[in-house]
Amino acid sequence: QSVVTQPPSASGTPGQRVTISCSGSRSNIETNPVSWYQQLPGTAPKLLIYSNNQWPSGVPDRFAGSKSGTSASLAISGLQSEDEADYYCATWDDSLNGYVFGTGTKVTVL
Amino acid sequence: EVQLVESGGNLVQPGGSLRLSCAASGFTFSSYWMTWVRQAPGKGLQWVANIKQDGSEIHYLDSVKGRFTISRDNAKNSLYLQMNSLRDEDTAVYYCAKEGRMSDWGQGTLVTVSS
Repeated sequence: QSVVTQPPSASGTPGQRVTISCSGSRSNIETNPVSWYQQLPGTAPKLLIYSNNQWPSGVPDRFAGSKSGTSASLAISGLQSEDEADYYCATWDDSLNGYVFGTGTKVTVL
Repeated sequence: EVQLVESGGNLVQPGGSLRLSCAASGFTFSSYWMTWVRQAPGKGLQWVANIKQDGSEIHYLDSVKGRFTISRDNAKNSLYLQMNSLRDEDTAVYYCAKEGRMSDWGQGTLVTVSS
């Protein structure tokens, strides 16, 4: 079981705003930058956000990351059908001396 | 365009060995940390190991320490994962990814450990 937890599911209708939480501890989220990944069905993960709130080239700003203390969040604004996917947060853990992924959240567009 | 192509996945018996490869192109391979991540069937992502640009620093997931070895050949733009003493729970799709923050991913290669 992961030391970083996410809600198993989230949902919204097209155009709505959905927020996914990522809860960790001092040894991981509080002290290290957080990344977010999107995994569409049957495909490899894709980097959405790095360094808590930075966008890689080509990622729309509908996806926004934030961090406060031992938690981080990913907000998806203007939800679209193509946003239906699994989302994972990840960060370095100083105690484990390795990266940890969150448990993952499946986003459904109703 | 960054390309990462994994190979070497196969069906192997428990206790067996396998070597995965990742061929990189489209970027200066020797300038980046590289990472292996796995995903068991129907499960979430699990970081496995990463390696510094010159191989001088390596980190492993606790459950693979002593069994898996990550390495790289910068002259061949290639990343490797030597997996020994394989267990049922190592069954997964294995992805290689560019950088510690995993900015680009390959398509993955399936490793099945079963008798």
